Amino acid sequence: EVQLVESGGGLEQPGGSLRLSCEASGFTFSSYAMNWVRQAPGKGLEWVSGISATAGSTFYADSVKGRFAISRDNPRNTLYLQMNSLRAEDTAIYYCAKDPGVLPAAHFDYWGQGTLVTVSS
Amino acid sequence: EIVLTQSPGTLSLSPGEGATLSCRASQSINYNYLAWYQQKPGRAPRLLIYGASRRATGVPDRFSGSGSGTDFTLSISRLEPEDFALYHCQQYGNAHNSPRTFGQGTKVEIK
Repeated sequence: EVQLVESGGGLEQPGGSLRLSCEASGFTFSSYAMNWVRQAPGKGLEWVSGISATAGSTFYADSVKGRFAISRDNPRNTLYLQMNSLRAEDTAIYYCAKDPGVLPAAHFDYWGQGTLVTVSS
Repeated sequence: EIVLTQSPGTLSLSPGEGATLSCRASQSINYNYLAWYQQKPGRAPRLLIYGASRRATGVPDRFSGSGSGTDFTLSISRLEPEDFALYHCQQYGNAHNSPRTFGQGTKVEIK
């Protein structure tokens, strides 16, 4: 059974940093692209960032480019999102989501339960 | 960036009735690469449909997707109590050079 478990969310001040993690199990992690998708309170879903299976390619939404960095540790089956220069508009539930292929370019076939990030002074 | 507009915003129906949800794109979606997700309060989204009409593993056959180009539809033939939820569409037709985007969602509520 595919499982994705996020952690690392919390309350942070504007301008601060947080690092999210997503532990994967139930599939061959190193064979699939992975993503972060967020949902602000009462709003729709927004794709944030994606990384290829080998970590050779990374992609970002314009709203986070230059501030967030996605990475993965395949031997540890873990996906990360380093979030710097946080803004109030980054407040959201952050979901880890799996792609069905090696590149982050398709639908999202499995999702974690999410971790809440709140940016406020 | 492709903008997806879902309608209606809210659909009020009774169990046993059929539901028709619309997702319209600002430009044609390549290869009909459109997906639908179901989300219940406090839960993660669940994939229902991909490639406009392919049901994901374990999805009941009362859910069906159709459409092409810019107009897509999710149909639920007979609403079960567990189907009352929020539904999102998502496009991935140009994912190599533009971001994957979602609609704003349609809520299916009990009348």
